Amino acid sequence: DARVTQTPRHKVTEMGQEVTMRCQPILGHNTVFWYRQTMMQGLELLAYFRNRAPLDDSGMPKDRFSAEMPDATLATLKIQPSEPRDSAVYFCASGGGGYRTDTQYFGPGTRLTVL
Amino acid sequence: DQQVKQNSPSLSVQEGRISILNCDYTNSMFDYFLWYKKYPAEGPTFLISISSIKDKNEDGRFTVFLNKSAKHLSLHIVPSQPGDSAVYFCAAGRSQGGSEKLVFGKGMKLTVNP
Repeated sequence: DARVTQTPRHKVTEMGQEVTMRCQPILGHNTVFWYRQTMMQGLELLAYFRNRAPLDDSGMPKDRFSAEMPDATLATLKIQPSEPRDSAVYFCASGGGGYRTDTQYFGPGTRLTVL
Repeated sequence: DQQVKQNSPSLSVQEGRISILNCDYTNSMFDYFLWYKKYPAEGPTFLISISSIKDKNEDGRFTVFLNKSAKHLSLHIVPSQPGDSAVYFCAAGRSQGGSEKLVFGKGMKLTVNP
């Protein structure tokens, strides 16, 4: 049963600390997306990779957020320094493999709380 | 600039009745549309999709209707079941232009009462 995994599931940190969230996409998928879910904005796209190359990070605050794919099995989203307004659920999704190339498969999310 | 809008934040229906969830979009370049369902503490899961070459797609109890002239789509669930209670997201994408990006609405919470 292939699925996207994300770690940690929950993270509580203090303002100013660095936060790293990790994602393992489904094997064979060539696109990876990072989303943030908030009550006000719904699901916002932060960054998007195809074949590990960043294609679009226009939704990401550049001064504090960074997204990378060190290899095909790992995507990371870092926030440094973190701020209380970054508190949200962060989802990773992968897609582009096999039958449904238009469908994205989401991980369970990382719930981030910045105090 | 919300390109995909779900104007009603919530809907409550009785078990066995029809649930109708609505979604509007503004970008005429979108040519495929998806519905995702999300339970608490889980990621969204794909439910059903429709291409702009169709006006209806059905999968069991779920049917999506697309009205391109009105830039409107709807998801019908018949009959509704308590297990359908979740947040539903509408999403839209463009198959042309080489981008797999989806634009999501803010979601709508459906509650199906036993």
